[in-house]
Amino acid sequence: QPALIQPPSTSGTPGQRIIISCSGSNSNIGSNTVNWYQQVSGTAPRLLMYSNIQRPSGVPDRFSGSKSGTSASLAISGLQSEDEADYFCSAWDVSVNGPVFGGGTKVTVL
Amino acid sequence: QVQLLESGPGLVRPSETLSLHCTVSGDSISRSDWSWVRQVPGKGLEWIGYVYKDGATNYNPSLKSRVTVSVDTPKSQVSLRLSAMTVADTAVYYCARAAGHNKRFDPWGQGTLVTVSS
Repeated sequence: QPALIQPPSTSGTPGQRIIISCSGSNSNIGSNTVNWYQQVSGTAPRLLMYSNIQRPSGVPDRFSGSKSGTSASLAISGLQSEDEADYFCSAWDVSVNGPVFGGGTKVTVL
Repeated sequence: QVQLLESGPGLVRPSETLSLHCTVSGDSISRSDWSWVRQVPGKGLEWIGYVYKDGATNYNPSLKSRVTVSVDTPKSQVSLRLSAMTVADTAVYYCARAAGHNKRFDPWGQGTLVTVSS
């Protein structure tokens, strides 16, 4: 059972805006920042968002992050076919003294 | 830019010890913290452990009794040893640089699939 809870899947049409939620607890999201990873099928994950809202260089500004309390969200605006992937949230957990992950959300572009 | 390449056996027998290496290029290995993460095929991600710049280590409590992560600076390699392997340890194993104050994983290696089977 993942420490962070994500919906298993979501979908949208090209150009649409979708939001992926990530729910945690006071020991992780509630007390630390959230990172997001994108994993295209058959490839390694890559960092998509860090410290809740920061985009690494090369990540389009169509991706945005937010955090409130013990939950976080990743929004994808102007959905594109290349955004079809699995998305994982992660946060440091003080009870583990290490990072924990969500189970991942599969995004399908219809 | 930093590039990571994992190497090691693709098949391990139950009860044996897994030994993986991650070769780092494009930057000095001694300047960063490093980590191993694994993923059961089709499933989520699981953090295994960190080795920090100062040589200190930090392991997932669920694996702590069986895992060792270390750095070989002359070889520019990060190593993982996981003992008493079982079928449940079958996974893709990734090495990654641990960046920033929240130790985010960036970048990742391509990963290597390890199957535990007799």
